[in-house]
Amino acid sequence: QSVLTQPPSVSAAPGQRVTISCTGSSSNIGAHYGVHWYQHLPGTAPKLLIYGNINRPSGIPDRFSGSTSGTSASLAISGLQAEDEADYYCQSYDTSRGVVFGGGTKLTVL
Amino acid sequence: EVQLVESGGGLVKPGRSLRLSCTGSGFTFGDYGMSWFRQAPGKGLEWVGFIRSKRYAENTEYVASVKGRFTISRDDSKGIAYLQMNSLNTEDTALYYCARARGWSSTYSSDYWGQGALVTVSS
Repeated sequence: QSVLTQPPSVSAAPGQRVTISCTGSSSNIGAHYGVHWYQHLPGTAPKLLIYGNINRPSGIPDRFSGSTSGTSASLAISGLQAEDEADYYCQSYDTSRGVVFGGGTKLTVL
Repeated sequence: EVQLVESGGGLVKPGRSLRLSCTGSGFTFGDYGMSWFRQAPGKGLEWVGFIRSKRYAENTEYVASVKGRFTISRDDSKGIAYLQMNSLNTEDTALYYCARARGWSSTYSSDYWGQGALVTVSS
């Protein structure tokens, strides 16, 4: 059972917008630790998409955006493309457990 | 170009030890904290541990399940971080990744990751 809760899967058609939620608690997201998002194809190196809740590293298109509210965070992907099909993970820090991840969300582009 | 390459993975029997290496290039290795993560078959990403830079006393942190069994160290002169794994059990079977932290503590994200080293614990 992951400390951060994500939906196991989401799907949408090309060109549409999809959001992935990440629900935590007062000991992690609610304690104002930053939320980070990664895109991962199993067996390959994860890619950092969003850091510190809302910031995009250089080279990440603005189709990807992050937000937080209270004890939750969200990743939004607009203008969905076939190459966006991957697993997405949120990460934060928990005062009791250290670095924690969500269980991952598999994005399917229909 | 920043690169991280893990090595040292393999098949090991339960109760035995293994040491992974993470060789960094394309950046000043000693300026960054380094993390280890893993992904067990069919599971999600899991944080293993973190080592701060020498500036922050090379302090280490670990997930509870490996504390006392795993040790992270670093040799900045060689640009290598190590993950020493002792008393391995079948639940440690995973693809192990090293990654560079964007800041001095484990609360920061990891901006560059290696391709991973496979560790299989089986009799």
